[in-house]
Amino acid sequence: DVKVTQSSRYLVKRTGEKVFLECVQDMDHENMFWYRQDPGLGLRLIYFSYDVKMKEKGDIPEGYSVSREKKERFSLILESASTNQTSMYLCASSSRGTQRTGELFFGEGSRLTVL
Amino acid sequence: GNSVTQMEGPVTLSEEAFLTINCTYTATGYPSLFWYVQYPGEGLQLLLKATKADDKGSNKGFEATYRKETTSFHLEKGSVQVSDSAVYFCARISGSARQLTFGSGTQLTVLP
Repeated sequence: DVKVTQSSRYLVKRTGEKVFLECVQDMDHENMFWYRQDPGLGLRLIYFSYDVKMKEKGDIPEGYSVSREKKERFSLILESASTNQTSMYLCASSSRGTQRTGELFFGEGSRLTVL
Repeated sequence: GNSVTQMEGPVTLSEEAFLTINCTYTATGYPSLFWYVQYPGEGLQLLLKATKADDKGSNKGFEATYRKETTSFHLEKGSVQVSDSAVYFCARISGSARQLTFGSGTQLTVLP
């Protein structure tokens, strides 16, 4: 069974802390994505990666960075967390073959609260 | 730009009621259209899709038809069940872009 695993389901951090959200997929997918999900706003793309060591900005990259050192792992980094980054973060992956067909596989999400 | 507008929720129905969740998209290019579903405590999963005009996607009793003339992709189900309670997201992807654009999501609650 295909799987996208996010390391933490729930995190509570303080303003100014550095936060790492980890995502691992076991499907040998080339493409990986980080979204945030907020009520009334749907999913918004933060960053994505189509290959190891490459990254591209999504719609709302400000305040975030990412790392893709290995094919199966895509990390989202909040260098200095702020309260407006309190949200649900969703990782997703897809294969190059379905890149244009829109079929993404999602993790269960990481709910981050910044105090 | 590319956007998706989805019916605002929440929607509350009784079991066996008919469901429609409206979705419209901007007519830029020839997008493929999708419905994703998020059950409580889970990530999103693909429910159905349609890649060209007049295509009908279907799965688990849900259907949606790609209507180019009205730029719509409304989700329907003839008889909902309690287990259909979830958040439903409409989404699009265009040939030139490689990322999905999602609607705001519609929370559906089905009461027994």
